[in-house]
Amino acid sequence: AQRVTQPEKLLSVFKGAPVELKCNYSYSGSPELFWYVQYSRQRLQLLLRHISRESIKGFTADLNKGETSFHLKKPFAQEEDSAMYYCALMDSSYKLIFGSGTRLLVRP
Amino acid sequence: DTGVSQNPRHKITKRGQNVTFRCDPISEHNRLYWYRQTLGQGPEFLTYFQNEAQLEKSRLLSDRFSAERPKGSFSTLEIQRTEQGDSAMYLCASSLSGDRGYTFGSGTRLTVV
Repeated sequence: AQRVTQPEKLLSVFKGAPVELKCNYSYSGSPELFWYVQYSRQRLQLLLRHISRESIKGFTADLNKGETSFHLKKPFAQEEDSAMYYCALMDSSYKLIFGSGTRLLVRP
Repeated sequence: DTGVSQNPRHKITKRGQNVTFRCDPISEHNRLYWYRQTLGQGPEFLTYFQNEAQLEKSRLLSDRFSAERPKGSFSTLEIQRTEQGDSAMYLCASSLSGDRGYTFGSGTRLTVV
């Protein structure tokens, strides 16, 4: 079955601390993985995708096929990073399968 | 072009009534998707269109739900005989073929009382 698991509903860190938001997936083919972010009162927006191997707002994510993971990391969290983060898998028919999301709270 | 637009933003309806939502995608995007999001969950796929053709429907989309995209531009999602379990945020997104990144609208929040 195709599935995305985000085990943490809430992750609370202090400003300047490292952040790792966990994402594991189950997919039989070659996965395409994404991170979407939703800031308070804003729409869901694409943060990054694994194929572009880019760093957006200091966040990076590496696809680990052996561990079927796509964890999102940032070395030094900022208060403005507080948001809801969703990991998503795109299947062969271009639809996204989302995890249940992790709320990141960065405390001052 | 101001992105993906959804109307209305909020809808409160009585159980048993019919409701219709509208989505206007980014004009050059030929793919349009509908998702549903309930509290504490990520968005769940409902259906998608490529131009005016509806290519896939989720099992979540019961026969009370119907979606159209008549001219390959805007889309409507209708729910007939609403039930309390239909209360959710309904999200629309669009993309270009070959581009894996979706652009989401702000959603329509449906409350069935």
